[in-house]
Amino acid sequence: AQSVAQPEDQVNVAEGNPLTVKCTYSVSGNPYLFWYVQYPNRGLQFLLKYITGDNLVKGSYGFEAEFNKSQTSFHLKKPSALVSDSALYFCAVSGVSGSARQLTFGSGTQLTVLP
Amino acid sequence: DAGITQSPRYKITETGRQVTLMCHQTWSHSYMFWYRQDLGHGLRLIYYSAAADITDKGEVPDGYVVSRSKTENFPLTLESATRSQTSVYFCASSEGTGSFGYTFGSGTRLTVV
Repeated sequence: AQSVAQPEDQVNVAEGNPLTVKCTYSVSGNPYLFWYVQYPNRGLQFLLKYITGDNLVKGSYGFEAEFNKSQTSFHLKKPSALVSDSALYFCAVSGVSGSARQLTFGSGTQLTVLP
Repeated sequence: DAGITQSPRYKITETGRQVTLMCHQTWSHSYMFWYRQDLGHGLRLIYYSAAADITDKGEVPDGYVVSRSKTENFPLTLESATRSQTSVYFCASSEGTGSFGYTFGSGTRLTVV
């Protein structure tokens, strides 16, 4: 069965500093990888996805993520954090066939950007 | 969240009562999903539907029933609510699976007392 691990429940970073939210995955075959963001009392919003091609994927609000096949990782990054980036971030993976094509989510990482 | 609507936003019900959470999407997406969100567990799939009249179980289906008589609606029913079903429930829709991302509703916060 496929799975996603977000090893940090909480990440704190000062405004203006770079941020990284970590994600590792396990899936049979080639993965499709996603990042979503959730603001308080809202649903999840799509940030970016990796399907194939360039390992560095750029998404909304200045976020990017790097796919590393050998380390089975898909870390979310931003060069300069904003206070408004504070939210709950979810990594998700899906596979290419059968029931693996359903998205499986990690447990989430709460990002707090300190002014 | 435009295009996918969940109702109600908040619901308090008593143990043993039946409650239905509604989900409506306007994109004619084939796939619809129900997730529950609990602290420490992230999002867990309850049921999903690939098309009208086609539904399948997810990771945590026990105690829930779904139906999909029309493409745009995917209600979730708790047949006899239990306190362990206190959670935030999210509906999502998608054109497909695999490389397709999902679009989520704003959620229903359900409290079972």
